[in-house]
Amino acid sequence: AQSVTQLDSQVPVFEEAPVELRCNYSSSVSVYLFWYVQYPNQGLQLLLKYLSGSTLVKGINGFEAEFNKSQTSFHLRKPSVHISDTAEYFCAVSNDYKLSFGAGTTVTVRA
Amino acid sequence: EAQVTQNPRYLITVTGKKLTVTCSQNMNHEYMSWYRQDPGLGLRQIYYSMNVEVTDKGDVPEGYKVSRKEKRNFPLILESPSPNQTSLYFCASSFGDNPNTEAFFGQGTRLTVV
Repeated sequence: AQSVTQLDSQVPVFEEAPVELRCNYSSSVSVYLFWYVQYPNQGLQLLLKYLSGSTLVKGINGFEAEFNKSQTSFHLRKPSVHISDTAEYFCAVSNDYKLSFGAGTTVTVRA
Repeated sequence: EAQVTQNPRYLITVTGKKLTVTCSQNMNHEYMSWYRQDPGLGLRQIYYSMNVEVTDKGDVPEGYKVSRKEKRNFPLILESPSPNQTSLYFCASSFGDNPNTEAFFGQGTRLTVV
């Protein structure tokens, strides 16, 4: 069985400030890790994914995430956020055929 | 344009009245899946399909049925809807027979069961 815990449900942040969204996972086997973003009234779209290789993964819109196997974490970061980054962010883990999502983190960027 | 199309976008129905939410993708993806999104719970997988005629249960399959007779279509069937199935539903598809490539999501179907 696999599960995902997103440690923050809401993250308010000022424009041009950095942001970090925390994600921990549990699984008895190797997993694949993802971050998806959901803008208001839309479906989800992929920000980035970790399948293997380098533990630092770069995604779209300036986001990056670091896979830490010993801490079973996959935290998402952006050095400088924009108003347009206001959205809900989901961490997800896949093992073979099932995809499990965390509860989501709502990021609100203020001017 | 590559897309996943769900219909209807909004649906209000009564308890016990069978309904079907359709999902169609035009990307020739093998893997398709249904999720429900509830506040504070994120997305939970209902059913998935690795290819035509191959389906399996996700984490919350009770009260739902699916079929995969054609590669492009993956309808979600609620035989006897109940109020606890009121939710936002998403269909998604991925290249290959697993979700480990990018999942493309539909716009969602907001279902209310009264």
